[in-house]
Amino acid sequence: AQSVTQLGSHVSVSEGALVLLRCNYSSSVPPYLFWYVQYPNQGLQLLLKYTSAATLVKGINGFEAEFKKSETSFHLTKPSAHMSDAAEYFCAVSDQGYSTLTFGKGTMLLVSP
Amino acid sequence: DTAVSQTPKYLVTQMGNDKSIKCEQNLGHDTMYWYKQDSKKFLKIMFSYNNKELIINETVPNRFSPKSPDKAHLNLHINSLELGDSAVYFCASSPFGTGGPNEQFFGPGTRLTVL
Repeated sequence: AQSVTQLGSHVSVSEGALVLLRCNYSSSVPPYLFWYVQYPNQGLQLLLKYTSAATLVKGINGFEAEFKKSETSFHLTKPSAHMSDAAEYFCAVSDQGYSTLTFGKGTMLLVSP
Repeated sequence: DTAVSQTPKYLVTQMGNDKSIKCEQNLGHDTMYWYKQDSKKFLKIMFSYNNKELIINETVPNRFSPKSPDKAHLNLHINSLELGDSAVYFCASSPFGTGGPNEQFFGPGTRLTVL
């Protein structure tokens, strides 16, 4: 069975500061990993995905994530936060057999001026 | 040019009623899904259809019945609504590929409130 743990239900940063959202996964097979963003009252939008190619994955809006097998982690980072980054972020894992995603509980990113 | 659309956006109803939520995608994808997001924002898969056939049915009460008339549509019918059914329901779609999971495209969600 797969699972995802996102550390911290809320993360607060100042505008211009580094964003770090943590995700650890558990999977019995090499995983596919995703980060999605959900803006208020909207559906989820894919930020980036890891599918066993490069371990450092670049996504939209300046976000990137690094797959670290030894740490079973896939943390999301952005060098400089913008007010428009304030949203809920979800890490998700899938195995190779199906497209079903198992989501973490989400991390709300708060950005202050 | 909406990719995945859902109707209605909001649904308020009484306990015991029966209601349906509709989903349509114009992306030409083969696979569609229903997810439930609870009040704590936790997202959980409910159903998955590939080319109109049910391929995943998680532990969901049988009051919930998905129907896929064609591969562009996946509707969700809920009988005898209960308070605990209040949630946001998301439809999603993805292409079907043998190379592994593909990106899922989500609809805007339907906020169901059961009174």
